[in-house]
Amino acid sequence: EVQLVESGGGLVQPGGSLRLSCAASGFTFRSYWMHWVRQAPGKGLLWVSHINGDGSATTYADSVKGRFTISRDNAKNTLYLQMNSLRAEDTGVYYCARGLEYWGQGNLVTVSS
Amino acid sequence: DVVMTQSPLSLPVTLGQPASISCRSSQSLVHSDGNTYLNWFQQRPGQSPRRLIYKVSNRDSGVPDRFSGSGSGTDFTLKISRVEAEDVGVYYCMQATHWPPWTFGQGTKVEIK
Repeated sequence: EVQLVESGGGLVQPGGSLRLSCAASGFTFRSYWMHWVRQAPGKGLLWVSHINGDGSATTYADSVKGRFTISRDNAKNTLYLQMNSLRAEDTGVYYCARGLEYWGQGNLVTVSS
Repeated sequence: DVVMTQSPLSLPVTLGQPASISCRSSQSLVHSDGNTYLNWFQQRPGQSPRRLIYKVSNRDSGVPDRFSGSGSGTDFTLKISRVEAEDVGVYYCMQATHWPPWTFGQGTKVEIK
């Protein structure tokens, strides 16, 4: 069974940093592209970032480019999202997703003073 | 970026009656490989998104056959043949042809009358 479990969210001040993790199990992690998707409170889905299977290729939404970094550790079956220079508009639930087919339960990030 | 436009944004339906959601893209979603990468997701209240349909009309494993997808080019439709109480939630279309970014529609909220 595919499982994706996010962690690392919480409350952070504007300008601060946070690192999200997504622990994967139930499939061959290194074989799949992985994504992060954000959902602001009461709003729709916004794709944030993707990484290919071996970590050699990444893409970002314009709104996070230069501030967020996606990475993966295939030995640990874990996906990461390093978020720097956080803004209030980055607030939301962050989902990791395998190929946008299977999604984790989400992790709330709140950027507020 | 490809803009995805859904209608209606709110859809009150009677139990047992059909429902239909439209999704239009700002450009054709036919990929150079001949496939059309248009997906549909369901997000029940308080839950993570779940993919229902991929490549326009293919149901994911475990998705009831009352859900069907159709369309081509820039116009797509998700139909529920007979709405059940468990179908309440928000439905999103998403294109995966022209990336990055992967883009979602605004969402259509399905509720029971």
